[in-house]
This record gives sequence, C-alpha cells and structure tokens, in this order.
Amino acid sequence: SQTIHQWPATLVQPVGSPLSLECTVEGTSNPNLYWYRQAAGRGLQLLFYSVGIGQISSEVPQNLSASRPQDRQFILSSKKLLLSDSGFYLCAWSVGKFQPQHFGDGTRLSIL
Amino acid sequence: TQLLEQSPQFLSIQEGENLTVYCNSSSVFSSLQWYRQEPGEGPVLLVTVVTGGEVKKLKRLTFQFGDARKDSSLHITAAQPGDTGLYLCAGAWHFGNEKLTFGTGTRLTIIP
Repeated sequence: SQTIHQWPATLVQPVGSPLSLECTVEGTSNPNLYWYRQAAGRGLQLLFYSVGIGQISSEVPQNLSASRPQDRQFILSSKKLLLSDSGFYLCAWSVGKFQPQHFGDGTRLSIL
Repeated sequence: TQLLEQSPQFLSIQEGENLTVYCNSSSVFSSLQWYRQEPGEGPVLLVTVVTGGEVKKLKRLTFQFGDARKDSSLHITAAQPGDTGLYLCAGAWHFGNEKLTFGTGTRLTIIP
C-alpha cells in the first residue's frame, strides 16, 4: 500500500533562518507531488507541484522554493524565512486522471 | 484565476439535524472532489464527481454535481458528532492536468 511521510510535524524557526521540509512517498511510482499551505481553518493554497523528477511548477510568487531530487521525494525550502511564512504545510501525491490526492499529516511552522 | 467559494463558512447544528453545504464557481470543472479534514491532519478524500448531474451517496452523505459542472453540494442526513470537521471541495479545470484548486472550506460542528 502507498504511504506518505512528512516531517517534522512541528517546527519553530526564527525570522531569517533557512527552512527544509521533506516529503517522501512509498508504494507508488512517478506520482504527481504537491506542496500546499493552509491558513487556520481555511482552504489550501497550492504552492508547488511536480509531475516528474526535476520538474517544478510554482503557483505563487513567494519566499519559498521546491525541489524533487528523486521520484518520490519532494522538498520545500527557504533561504530566509519571513513572519508571513508561518502556517500549516501539507504535502500530497496523486497518480492518473481524476484520482484523489493523498495528504501527509502536515507540518505546523511557526516563525518567531 | 479560478475561484471556488464554499458556503456557509461556519455551520453549527444539533445532532440529528440535516444540513447542506455548497461549492460554487463561475467556471466549468472537469472533475470535483470533496475532502474532510480533522484538526492537525491532512484532508481525506470523500468522493470524486465527474459527470454533470451526478449524485453519489456515502452512507448519510449525498454529493451532487451541478448539471453545468460549475457547482456541487454536500448534504448530510441526521448529522452525528463524528461528522464534525472542515469540509473542502477541490476542482480540476483541465482534463489531463492534475492540479486542484481548493475551496475556502466549511467548518462544521455537530453539537451532541
């Protein structure tokens, strides 16, 4: 069966520090991979998605970047965090057409 | 930019009552999905609808896709405390493009 792992679950970082959030998927090949940010109790904002290794599409201009160094690994990064980067970050995967997206348990990021 | 508006934003009702939440857009979807999210977790898929006018039932939950594929509704019969959560609709606008746009969410609370 397929699983998705996202870590860490919570993270507290000072303004100006770097960021690296990792997401890995097991049990499937060539998945579409996604990074979302969610404001408290609201909908998800798509940040990046990838349809293959090294292929990254950015949805909104921001202080963040994404990379896909391996087929089932998706990394969200920042060189210098801003206060506005606080939020709940979710990684997801899907395969095929009309197929659901499967989410990790998220990372709660607090910037101080 | 395609937008998905969900209404109501918040809904609090007594156990045993019925309710309907809505998901609306001015654009035509190629497919639409409904998710439920618990606090501190990622969303979990409830249903996918593809055909205009389609109705799908999942126990006490009934999902309807509008004839013009621009809107959808979720009806819950005899709500239970376990139905509490954030309900999100998510639409795909282009066949073959697996990017989803999530709605603004409905926070549902069922009071025992």
